[in-house]
Amino acid sequence: RKEVEQDPGPFNVPEGATVAFNCTYSNSASQSFFWYRQDCRKEPKLLMSVYSSGNEDGRFTAQLNRASQYISLLIRDSKLSDSATYLCVVNGRGGNKLTFGTGTQLKVEL
Amino acid sequence: DGGITQSPKYLFRKEGQNVTLSCEQNLNHDAMYWYRQDPGQGLRLIYYSQIVNDFQKGDIAEGYSVSREKKESFPLTVTSAQKNPTAFYLCASTSIAGDNEQFFGPGTRLTVL
Repeated sequence: RKEVEQDPGPFNVPEGATVAFNCTYSNSASQSFFWYRQDCRKEPKLLMSVYSSGNEDGRFTAQLNRASQYISLLIRDSKLSDSATYLCVVNGRGGNKLTFGTGTQLKVEL
Repeated sequence: DGGITQSPKYLFRKEGQNVTLSCEQNLNHDAMYWYRQDPGQGLRLIYYSQIVNDFQKGDIAEGYSVSREKKESFPLTVTSAQKNPTAFYLCASTSIAGDNEQFFGPGTRLTVL
């Protein structure tokens, strides 16, 4: 089983749609969780950290379910500019090492 | 402005040549990392360093070498022993005191001809 698993997509959605991504992780001792965004041929950039209580940043909501070991990202009112690959990232190996999922590709269309 | 710089952005080398990729940060971060990304794949950890003059192998260290002589700098050498070096190389850093968020440089795209 991979340490971090994501559906690779692509998710093709119309502008204005709500889309949800899920991610599962294998190490129950993981402490830190993130969603990163990566545009084509660019570096990953932090979208948001994920906290146990869930957190929201504008149109983006992240949730963590420790019992089931999954993380979710909800994007409301999708914009064309949201088209990117979204990486699920977990600190499951101690120290500051992060494990990256392979990413879920989102394409928002007119 | 604080950040991470990588140079060059694009690099072409002949097979059998060693090549060194630069990574510099002025964020005063303690830890630095090198990743490799191949098309359709996630980031894979090559080497990391949590303190000056110390570094550890990641998941795919074979064929690579690093040094950490200064806090700000963490160069990566891709040696001729690396069998498939063509990839997108990303450098990142983080503050050990923080929540492990890593900041990335813009990457170097290496093509071996």
